[in-house]
Amino acid sequence: EAGVAQSPRYKIIEKRQSVAFWCNPISGHATLYWYQQILGQGPKLLIQFQNNGVVDDSQLPKDRFSAERLKGVDSTLKIQPAKLEDSAVYLCASSLVVFGLAHYEQYFGPGTRLTVT
Amino acid sequence: GQNIDQPTEMTATEGAIVQINCTYQTSGFNGLFWYQQHAGEAPTFLSYNVLDGLEEKGRFSSFLSRSKGYSYLLLKELQMKDSASYLCAVRADYKLSFGAGTTVTVRA
Repeated sequence: EAGVAQSPRYKIIEKRQSVAFWCNPISGHATLYWYQQILGQGPKLLIQFQNNGVVDDSQLPKDRFSAERLKGVDSTLKIQPAKLEDSAVYLCASSLVVFGLAHYEQYFGPGTRLTVT
Repeated sequence: GQNIDQPTEMTATEGAIVQINCTYQTSGFNGLFWYQQHAGEAPTFLSYNVLDGLEEKGRFSSFLSRSKGYSYLLLKELQMKDSASYLCAVRADYKLSFGAGTTVTVRA
């Protein structure tokens, strides 16, 4: 089974520039997540999709960050314009939708390491 | 949100046992996860607890006490490859929040 795919793996941009990240979840996973992980911290949820609808985007800085999941499969996360504090690893994860007390195990992609100079 | 606390660093010897504690404060608790993250890599799932008690999976075990807001991850027969960050994550209202992680260093 193929895992979560992300690209690019690394990106270096100058502040005020724009950048976009792409994610393809595991086939059949209805839920997709974007996390930001700053060095030395745990991942922080930015946005959660179920199919192509947004479930939670309460921690997404909407003045500069946007995300979409057209057709309920792959997703893009964009930053425009970037700030120095956006330097982090951006992780995409996906999970099956299972009701009740069953697992909500998330499978993570390799991440995109963004450096803003 | 959730307050999730875990120690920053722990060091242990190869073959030994290490216990990583995690305390949390939350409402709408749906479950607690432990993830392993090697440097420069993505987190990988280790364990999941939703009911009180101990879950054992090979060399790794995880315990949960919902009334105390407490969990631990027990790593037995430590190997060098276990050197990594261990993330405690709490699911509340179907949203996952991570602690900052505990860096475990295994020494020969």
